[in-house]
Amino acid sequence: AIQMTQSPASLSASVGDRVTITCRASQGIRDDLGWYQQKPGKAPKLLIYASSRLQSGVPSRFSGSGSGTDFTLTINSLQPEDYATYYCLQDYDYPWTFGQGTRVDIK
Amino acid sequence: QVHLVESGGGVVQPRRSLRLSCEASGFSFRSFALHWVRQAPGKGLEWLAVILYDGSNRFYADSVKGRFTVSKDDSKNTLYLQMSNLRLEDTATYFCVRGDFEIWGQGTLVTVSS
Repeated sequence: AIQMTQSPASLSASVGDRVTITCRASQGIRDDLGWYQQKPGKAPKLLIYASSRLQSGVPSRFSGSGSGTDFTLTINSLQPEDYATYYCLQDYDYPWTFGQGTRVDIK
Repeated sequence: QVHLVESGGGVVQPRRSLRLSCEASGFSFRSFALHWVRQAPGKGLEWLAVILYDGSNRFYADSVKGRFTVSKDDSKNTLYLQMSNLRLEDTATYFCVRGDFEIWGQGTLVTVSS
């Protein structure tokens, strides 16, 4: 199975900060990667698909990049509602695999 | 309104079986692959299984292969996860997810405990 290594595991940031989260795949996965946001007690929400395509309704401060093995989720100008846990998911090959998650909390 | 609603969770003893259901509404059930994802308490997300839109193929995570079976009934717009030989580490909230990962159910909690 493809392993997804996500970093950092957690970070503290202030409102207005730029936040970067990375995922590295154990083998090339083209651009078959999505990013998800999860708040406590809720189901995850799709933010980005195909590495860089913004899901409808998601604010433009979220962006994704990368191809092959290295991927990045960037949140420009962090907002209070962005404090959550973020996950990457490779959908290149079964079994699909998630990264371990990155918790973003208030500094 | 597009919805996925899971049911069937509860407390079950180790080595026993349990079947989860996920009823879909508001979209063409037959047009999408359907997935199961779980989350142990305080832990991350784990992809478990998928059944393709036409039921032609199913794939599983290694952690559940041979113990869990995904199926669906198009006439009832319902997805299932048959779980057997349950282990303590299967304790989690189980989500069903539409194939584009835009739509998630609210989750159903399965607790494996003696």
